[in-house]
Amino acid sequence: GAGVSQSPSNKVTEKGKDVELRCDPISGHTALYWYRQSLGQGLEFLIYFQGNSAPDKSGLPSDRFSAERTGGSVSTLTIQRTQQEDSAVYLCASSSGQGANQPQHFGDGTRLSIL
Amino acid sequence: QKEVEQNSGPLSVPEGAIASLNCTYSDRVSQSFFWYRQYSGKSPELIMSIYSNGDKEDGRFTAQLNKASQYVSLLIRDSQPSDSATYLCAVTLSPPGNDMRFGAGTRLTVKP
Repeated sequence: GAGVSQSPSNKVTEKGKDVELRCDPISGHTALYWYRQSLGQGLEFLIYFQGNSAPDKSGLPSDRFSAERTGGSVSTLTIQRTQQEDSAVYLCASSSGQGANQPQHFGDGTRLSIL
Repeated sequence: QKEVEQNSGPLSVPEGAIASLNCTYSDRVSQSFFWYRQYSGKSPELIMSIYSNGDKEDGRFTAQLNKASQYVSLLIRDSQPSDSATYLCAVTLSPPGNDMRFGAGTRLTVKP
């Protein structure tokens, strides 16, 4: 597809379980972002990948959160030992090239519910 | 101070009126500014970008940027009920990261 693809679209899991969320950016986009959005709230920045540079992890809320980007393309966000406050929509976005003037294109998100 | 601040609203305007959405940012050397629209339950979609001081018009939308005041706004002329959504302001931070921060969004309701 031409857009950013995220999977799964919905995930329900029990507290304490680990979850993996996947993002396929637009082909050729070198920048990839993860955000979290709680119900009725704005976007909370989590992590940013740009090409082969070290990622900006400054937004990760705790050491239970980690993300990888393999081969400069697909990214996986992992949440270990999930807590109920992790329930949110997790959005991935990508943008082309390096530089400040590139808009982001968003996927449809993964709605995560922790029971 | 938050990096990007918006009035959370809700902002309510009658159909046909001008809706004015405002955003301030803290990074003095930010270069790129974007407005996204997010319908309930959907992902944000880009509606405007602006990089230089002044106004930029695209159909019913006008973005205004004042870097000296660290202020960016979005005007929606002839507002329609279909414009009812949350509008997110986004600012690209200065190098080396060049990454982007979003405001919390302003919820707009256009009443028929």
